[in-house]
Amino acid sequence: QLQLQESGPGLVQPSETLSLACSVSGDSISSGSYHWGWIRQPPGKGLEWIGSFYYGGTTYYNPSLESRVTISLDTSKNQLSLKLNSLTAADTAVYFCARGEGYQLPHIWFDPWGQGTLVTVSS
Amino acid sequence: DIQMTQSPSTLSASVGDRVTITCRASQTINSWLAWYQQKPGKAPKVLIYDASTLDSGVPSRFSGSGSGPEFTLTISSLQPDDFATYSCQQYESFPWTFGQGTKVEIK
Repeated sequence: QLQLQESGPGLVQPSETLSLACSVSGDSISSGSYHWGWIRQPPGKGLEWIGSFYYGGTTYYNPSLESRVTISLDTSKNQLSLKLNSLTAADTAVYFCARGEGYQLPHIWFDPWGQGTLVTVSS
Repeated sequence: DIQMTQSPSTLSASVGDRVTITCRASQTINSWLAWYQQKPGKAPKVLIYDASTLDSGVPSRFSGSGSGPEFTLTISSLQPDDFATYSCQQYESFPWTFGQGTKVEIK
């Protein structure tokens, strides 16, 4: 059974760069033609898609975050990573990783998801 | 971006009630819609995709319908395990967007 687990710092300073990892167990992250994504949820708000990585090497990002985001795969660690720079308080959120399911782009939903990790941006 | 608007934001109901949640897109998304269930501290779980296809293992009391801009998620008889927050997601076009969520709480 595929399982995803996010990890990273719970507290980050404003203007710094957030680095999160998503460890995948139960299958190789490089098996199959899957999309892998990051989604976040600010406190009391809805989910927001951040970006995704397609195993073929393509990345695609939400235009609202594209200038600050980098998503990559580390196949040696079976991990998906997220880097988000120039942090502000508005980036405070629970960050989830998930695998994409579905058809050809853009017809993809997310399943399964990790439990999420809370990141607070504050000095 | 396609805006997804859910209603209501909060719903109070009792075990055994029939519950309906609505999700409206700002433009047509055909049937490219998924519904998720979220519980605090747990991984979100997909319930329905392609607007009406029940994901594997999801109880049959859940159903989805609609197309174009308006969709509904129905729970035919609310069970104690169903008290959670439900969100919709459109995957008609980038960027993928979600509704703000509907919290189903105990009446």
